[in-house]
Amino acid sequence: DIQMTQSPSSLSASVGDRVTITCRASQSIGTSLNWYQQKPGKAPKLLIYVVSSLQSGVPSRFRGSGSGTEFSLTISSLQPEDIATYYCQQSYSTPIYTFGQGTKVEIK
Amino acid sequence: QVQLVESGGGVVQPGRSLRLSCEASGLTLSRYSMHWVRLAPGKGLEWVAVISHDGRNEYYADSVKGRFTISRDNAKNTLYLQMNNLGLEDAAVYYCARDPVENYFDYWGQGTLVTVSP
Repeated sequence: DIQMTQSPSSLSASVGDRVTITCRASQSIGTSLNWYQQKPGKAPKLLIYVVSSLQSGVPSRFRGSGSGTEFSLTISSLQPEDIATYYCQQSYSTPIYTFGQGTKVEIK
Repeated sequence: QVQLVESGGGVVQPGRSLRLSCEASGLTLSRYSMHWVRLAPGKGLEWVAVISHDGRNEYYADSVKGRFTISRDNAKNTLYLQMNNLGLEDAAVYYCARDPVENYFDYWGQGTLVTVSP
């Protein structure tokens, strides 16, 4: 089974800061990596698919990169509405998927 | 617009069963693979099960294999999750999600809460 490990588990940053979340796969998954945002009490929302493609309606301050086993999600300028938990998800072993354990983003 | 609406959650005793439903509107369910994903208290998202667009193929997470069954009724545009022999570890919000190209989830339901309590 492919394991996904995110770091950090949580972070606190100021409004306007650049924030980066890392996701590591236990084996190479090519570009089969997606990112989701989940706010408390809400359903997850697709942010980025296939490493770097922005889902429709997602602000351009969100950017994804990486390949193989190392991936990252960057928020170029953190906004108050970005407070959420972020998950990476691999689809290399489709249709069986795996999520990372999540990264909780808070405002300092 | 596309809507996925889950129902069937509730409070159940350990060892009992529950069936969740996910009714779709604004899309033809038969065209897509569909998944169940859950979020347990204090935990992260966990993929639970998937069913192919035609219902011929099903896959399950090891944690639910042999206890949960995913199914679909394309005529009713509805996805199901039959959960048997529920344990405390199955308590979670359960979401259904659409997989448009067998790669990611683009539409999610609002979730239905399953509580397992003696």
